[in-house]
Amino acid sequence: GEDVEQSLFLSVREGDSSVINCTYTDSSSTYLYWYKQEPGAGLQLLTYIFSNMDMKQDQRLTVLLNKKDKHLSLRIADTQTGDSAIYFCAESTLFNAGNNRKLIWGLGTSLAVNP
Amino acid sequence: ETGVTQTPRHLVMGMTNKKSLKCEQHLGHNAMYWYKQSAKKPLELMFVYNFKEQTENNSVPSRFSPECPNSSHLFLHLHTLQPEDSALYLCASSQDFQAGEAFFGQGTRLTVV
Repeated sequence: GEDVEQSLFLSVREGDSSVINCTYTDSSSTYLYWYKQEPGAGLQLLTYIFSNMDMKQDQRLTVLLNKKDKHLSLRIADTQTGDSAIYFCAESTLFNAGNNRKLIWGLGTSLAVNP
Repeated sequence: ETGVTQTPRHLVMGMTNKKSLKCEQHLGHNAMYWYKQSAKKPLELMFVYNFKEQTENNSVPSRFSPECPNSSHLFLHLHTLQPEDSALYLCASSQDFQAGEAFFGQGTRLTVV
């Protein structure tokens, strides 16, 4: 079945770059997403990438997609303490018949930024 | 402000109680979702409503009963829950049922005692 895997924890120093990795299994995924969840809050869409792209950059965020290896990464440049949160990787995959899609979620990577 | 509001934020209920969770969105979205978030488990999609019609029920026990009276409101009625139902219940909405760019509420932290 479909599966999305992420490492559970990452710790970095303030000012360093953070790289959060994700692997997925469904080769029919069209979109892959990164969501952020701060303590006590819901999930917030950070960025997404279409499957025909290799890279997408948005200010401090860089998303890299290796479709051959089904590997997705999120790089946060100049990581700040406010970036401390759980980061979820998700893939959009087909379900049932027709064109219905649903999100398959990873467990989330807890990013700790140390001063 | 995410545009999706959930109430209450916290709820403690006994196993014989009946309670309801409420979700409201004013984003003009057509699809709304209930998710369950438990520790050390992936997000579980429970129910999907598209244009007020339920399109998915992921084998959720009948003690959870959703209701979508209009495209802006979504309820989750709870009845005779079990302690293992304790979790964060998240509501989300999206423009259409295409999955992906969903906007989430802050969730209701439910504790069943």
